[in-house]
Amino acid sequence: EAGVAQSPRYKIIEKRQSVAFWCNPISGHATLYWYQQILGQGPKLLIQFQNNGVVDDSQLPKDRFSAERLKGVDSTLKIQPAKLEDSAVYLCASSLDYGGEAFFGQGTRLTVV
Amino acid sequence: QKEVEQDPGPLSVPEGAIVSLNCTYSNSAFQYFMWYRQYSRKGPELLMYTYSSGNKEDGRFTAQVDKSSKYISLFIRDSQPSDSATYLCAMSPPLYSSASKIIFGSGTRLSIRP
Repeated sequence: EAGVAQSPRYKIIEKRQSVAFWCNPISGHATLYWYQQILGQGPKLLIQFQNNGVVDDSQLPKDRFSAERLKGVDSTLKIQPAKLEDSAVYLCASSLDYGGEAFFGQGTRLTVV
Repeated sequence: QKEVEQDPGPLSVPEGAIVSLNCTYSNSAFQYFMWYRQYSRKGPELLMYTYSSGNKEDGRFTAQVDKSSKYISLFIRDSQPSDSATYLCAMSPPLYSSASKIIFGSGTRLSIRP
């Protein structure tokens, strides 16, 4: 079974630039999560999709972050404009349904300079 | 108060030792408990999950849940250098509920000395 695919693996941008991350979840998984993991901390949920609808985006900084999941499969997370404090690893995960075991991708390491 | 508290470590033990990793939580709605292992520059990998109080064993790993104390533990027997990683506890409310989001602890960095 193929795992969660994310790209790119690494990205370096200057502050105020924009950036986008892509995620392809495990086939058949209805729930997709985007987490932000700052160095030395646990993952923090940014947004959770159930199929192509948003279940929870309470911790997404909506003035600069946006995410979509077209056709209930792939998802993109965008930051515009980026700030220095956005430097983190952005992890995508998926699970069969609400809650339950989530399987993670390798993450995208973002550095904002 | 954070919903999930986890000692960040670092924790360093000799090879072969028994390791105990712990988390406490405040939200009594949490019903599903998970442990993830994260190697450096990798995504978290699911190690174990359980939804009931008591012990669950899988090889050298034992997950323990005490819902009355809101306390969960992961024990690693016969620890190996390859167990060196960050261990994250995670939990969520009942499955198949729109409130079912997974909340993580901050992770404990574990190092096994050969």
